[in-house]
Amino acid sequence: DAGVTQSPTHLIKTRGQQVTLRCSPKSGHDTVSWYQQALGQGPQFIFQYYEEEERQRGNFPDRFSGHQFPNYSSELNVNALLLGDSALYLCASWQDSPDTQYFGPGTRLTVL
Amino acid sequence: AQSVTQLGSHVSVSEGALVLLRCNYSSSVPPYLFWYVQYPNQGLQLLLKYTSAATLVKGINGFEAEFKKSETSFHLTKPSAHMSDAAEYFCAVSDLSTGTASKLTFGTGTRLQVTL
Repeated sequence: DAGVTQSPTHLIKTRGQQVTLRCSPKSGHDTVSWYQQALGQGPQFIFQYYEEEERQRGNFPDRFSGHQFPNYSSELNVNALLLGDSALYLCASWQDSPDTQYFGPGTRLTVL
Repeated sequence: AQSVTQLGSHVSVSEGALVLLRCNYSSSVPPYLFWYVQYPNQGLQLLLKYTSAATLVKGINGFEAEFKKSETSFHLTKPSAHMSDAAEYFCAVSDLSTGTASKLTFGTGTRLQVTL
């Protein structure tokens, strides 16, 4: 079992650009959440996807959007990148029991 | 709104000494509480969780935590620290009682250093 996988591992972008991050959930999991972890901070909830729909959203602007595909994998899109978007982006997945969420290794995004 | 406060951004202990990482929570409903560990350049790994069953929860790697409602605390302990325990530890709270509210709210983390 591969667990939760994320790609790419690292990414460097410049201000104003757009970025897409990808997440494949653990086998058998149908729900995916995305978190942003700024340097020296705890992860902050961005949004959650289930059955290809956004089910819950944190306090993030509309520049942050997502998608879930029929195979349960997910994408996080960020438009008009700001320097403050530099962070580790984590994906978590589960099925039936959200009290056990499995996290991926994250994508480190650097915005210059 | 739910929140957690982790007291101490850095904790240093000697190998073999007691580990105590503090977490206090705020929640308007019975909370679900978690401790996660993060090693450098890695994601989060669940250490243990409290979901309204036994108040003393045992997790992986010899860690345990006790839920104390009267103190709104969920401190993480390990009797004897090992060098491999050096990592960042996060306390998190979730309101799972509503069924769909499964987001985790994390504290700012405590970096544990283990010295010889």
